[in-house]
Amino acid sequence: NAGVTQTPKFRILKIGQSMTLQCTQDMNHNYMYWYRQDPGMGLKLIYYSVGAGITDKGEVPNGYNVSRSTTEDFPLRLELAAPSQTSVYFCASSYLGQGTYEQYFGPGTRLTVT
Amino acid sequence: AQRVTQPEKLLSVFKGAPVELKCNYSYSGSPELFWYVQYSRQRLQLLLRHISRESIKGFTADLNKGETSFHLKKPFAQEEDSAMYYCALGSGNTGKLIFGQGTTLQVKP
Repeated sequence: NAGVTQTPKFRILKIGQSMTLQCTQDMNHNYMYWYRQDPGMGLKLIYYSVGAGITDKGEVPNGYNVSRSTTEDFPLRLELAAPSQTSVYFCASSYLGQGTYEQYFGPGTRLTVT
Repeated sequence: AQRVTQPEKLLSVFKGAPVELKCNYSYSGSPELFWYVQYSRQRLQLLLRHISRESIKGFTADLNKGETSFHLKKPFAQEEDSAMYYCALGSGNTGKLIFGQGTTLQVKP
């Protein structure tokens, strides 16, 4: 299993541009998450999904959109990129069984908006 | 409010010294707590969870409900322990985790 994969690894965007960060998992996990990691701030949840067709906002959803058309894929869309969205983005997945919260993370996408 | 606090941004110790990374939480229910680790240029991975009461790579963590703490400890630090450590709190039935700010552990030779 490849686990959780993310593309691209790095990206530089100009202010106002848009892009989609891709996330795919091959573990048949029902739950998926997007986080951003900023220095000294830890990980903040952007959006999450508990299954195909179901998404919900996390702590910092503004400026982002997601969709979950399949179990495997959970893309994150940035519209009108702003410098404040410069961050490292992590996708994660989990299978909630017996109360476990273990999440499996992707390698991250480092995004710079200038 | 549900919150996880890691008071130290950086903890620097010498090889062989004991290590304690602090984590305090705020949660009204019965908490599920975790430690995740991120080694340089690697993805985050689960280190240990409180319900397992296990020792991983020599690390242990005990949940203290009275002090609302879940500190991570290791008696003798190794250079390969250098990494970013995150304490996390399980929240609700959606599998969401609330992460602390993270502590960078630097083990000097």
